[in-house]
Amino acid sequence: GAVVSQHPSRVICKSGTSVKIECRSLDFQATTMFWYRQFPKKSLMLMATSNEGSKATYEQGVEKDKFLINHASLTLSTLTVTSAHPEDSSFYICSADGTHQETQYFGPGTRLLVL
Amino acid sequence: QKEVEQNSGPLSVPEGAIASLNCTYSDRGSQSFFWYRQYSGKSPELIMFIYSNGDKEDGRFTAQLNKASQYVSLLIRDSQPSDSATYLCAVNPGNQFYFGTGTSLTVIP
Repeated sequence: GAVVSQHPSRVICKSGTSVKIECRSLDFQATTMFWYRQFPKKSLMLMATSNEGSKATYEQGVEKDKFLINHASLTLSTLTVTSAHPEDSSFYICSADGTHQETQYFGPGTRLLVL
Repeated sequence: QKEVEQNSGPLSVPEGAIASLNCTYSDRGSQSFFWYRQYSGKSPELIMFIYSNGDKEDGRFTAQLNKASQYVSLLIRDSQPSDSATYLCAVNPGNQFYFGTGTSLTVIP
């Protein structure tokens, strides 16, 4: 149980384009999902907390107009990187809150490369 | 002061030895504590969680929690090369997860 999927697993795009990443909880409902990014050999950095049906809460320094988050249902949250630039290249990981254990379960991550 | 602190390592242990990973946290009201393992290039995976003071064992892993001293540790018995990874400590004071920066563990065959 507590499986979280992400799609795509890897994406390469040109600078200036937008990229959408999907995060799904497959066998449980997640009222809260989290989006992280991680640079090579660095720690996880929380970008935003997403609650179903409401606006996401962004961490300080994260541009909400650049990283659009939509949590349309209890099993799906999306992160759209708008007008991507090379410095947005990173490993993006979502996690979902397993409410029965107050645990975060991570998706496999999406590796984004912006050329 | 960071919410969760871990020694970044690297920590090296020989195969078969006990690896001891430590974590301290600042919010005394924290209620739940987690250990995640992250292999290079992969996302974190949950190893164990612990809520109560004392030890919790799961196979070769033992989590230890001491709320009075505000530390939580992870012991890995009979360490295997496949245990080589970064281990992340996470603490939930009730409203948000706080992750440590992780300890890199290398198990030497």
